Amino acid sequence: GAVVSQHPSRVICKSGTSVKIECRSLDFQATTMFWYRQFPKQSLMLMATSNEGSKATYEQGVEKDKFLINHASLTLSTLTVTSAHPEDSSFYICSAETGETQYFGPGTRLLVL
Amino acid sequence: LAKTTQPISMDSYEGQEVNITCSHNNIATNDYITWYQQFPSQGPRFIIQGYKTKVTNEVASLFIPADRKSSTLSLPRVSLSDTAVYYCLVGEIGNTPLVFGKGTRLSVIA
Repeated sequence: GAVVSQHPSRVICKSGTSVKIECRSLDFQATTMFWYRQFPKQSLMLMATSNEGSKATYEQGVEKDKFLINHASLTLSTLTVTSAHPEDSSFYICSAETGETQYFGPGTRLLVL
Repeated sequence: LAKTTQPISMDSYEGQEVNITCSHNNIATNDYITWYQQFPSQGPRFIIQGYKTKVTNEVASLFIPADRKSSTLSLPRVSLSDTAVYYCLVGEIGNTPLVFGKGTRLSVIA
């Protein structure tokens, strides 16, 4: 199957700082990527849809000014958590679709102290 | 987006065949059925996808009855490494976000 990578795999930051997470489709181009968040023992929750060359679409309840998404190329989407707080600590996962199937990245564990 | 219902958990012994059934009563004409596997602290891994009847790959089989209101993921001869959460998702393909339910936590016992 297609490969999606994320970087970093885990990050620890201080409250109030910003953190950028990268999502790359390694062997295919993706005009659309998706960002999910997963809290312990819970399922994945869709945060936003990232569209190459245009603004992202955010799900209800997700602050677009806090979770900045940039989809600058057909293989890269970034999620920046701005002014992070401890409640933002979670597992962030991106996905990209080949046209038929969505493939997920390995996830990024964010811990805000 | 069609809602799915799966058993919360299942237990199985090693070497057995495991069948996980998913209900999706309001599946739409253009919807496909996709199953993912997720291990702790990892992203979901694609297992299998289908539209109708039966689909088989090297990992699993997917059975879909004619009315498409349910589907069954079949894992042959499970091993301890198959212990994971399995998600059934229903939706259109083509840059459509997936809506995850609670999934089924499969525990394989030696």
